Amino acid sequence: AQTVTQSQPEMSVQEAETVTLSCTYDTSESDYYLFWYKQPPSRQMILVIRQEAYKQQNATENRFSVNFQKAAKSFSLKISDSQLGDAAMYFCAYRSADNDMRFGAGTRLTVKP
Amino acid sequence: KAGVTQTPRYLIKTRGQQVTLSCSPISGHRSVSWYQQTPGQGLQFLFEYFSETQRNKGNFPGRFSGRQFSNSRSEMNVSTLELGDSALYLCASSLSGRVDEQFFGPGTRLTVL
Repeated sequence: AQTVTQSQPEMSVQEAETVTLSCTYDTSESDYYLFWYKQPPSRQMILVIRQEAYKQQNATENRFSVNFQKAAKSFSLKISDSQLGDAAMYFCAYRSADNDMRFGAGTRLTVKP
Repeated sequence: KAGVTQTPRYLIKTRGQQVTLSCSPISGHRSVSWYQQTPGQGLQFLFEYFSETQRNKGNFPGRFSGRQFSNSRSEMNVSTLELGDSALYLCASSLSGRVDEQFFGPGTRLTVL
């Protein structure tokens, strides 16, 4: 079964600095999708960025980018120029080709002014 | 375009009762997935419906069931509630569910006393 591991329960970053959240996963499949979701205190999950496993190029969305290392099964999220509004729980998620969805335990990000 | 809506937002029940939660997906979305979120277990996949058929199911007891209507609205039912069923129940919709982005609703907070 696929598993998703986020080894950092909590992270802290100074406003305007850069922070990287780690995620590793375990799978024997070659076709899958990876996601980072953000869950602010309001509790509504928001998609931050997604990566198709067949694409070698790392996905980027404005200040958010990923470092996707398929062989190492690693999928880290980099947040540049951190803002106070980035404070939230961040979940790494894996979705298989047959739609099985697994989430990591989450990383709570604090942004210090 | 309206987002995913879930009703009710908050619910208090007692052990042994049953509960029905509702989810209205984004217009045009045919896939609806349900998740349970607790502090101890994190985010866990319950089931996914597509075109009124359950397409995928997580590892939950038979007390948890769901259905989807022809207009793609979905309900999940939990019978014989236990204290451990207290959780935030999230619904997410997507176009077809395979590799599409999932859009999450605000969740229903269920408290079992």
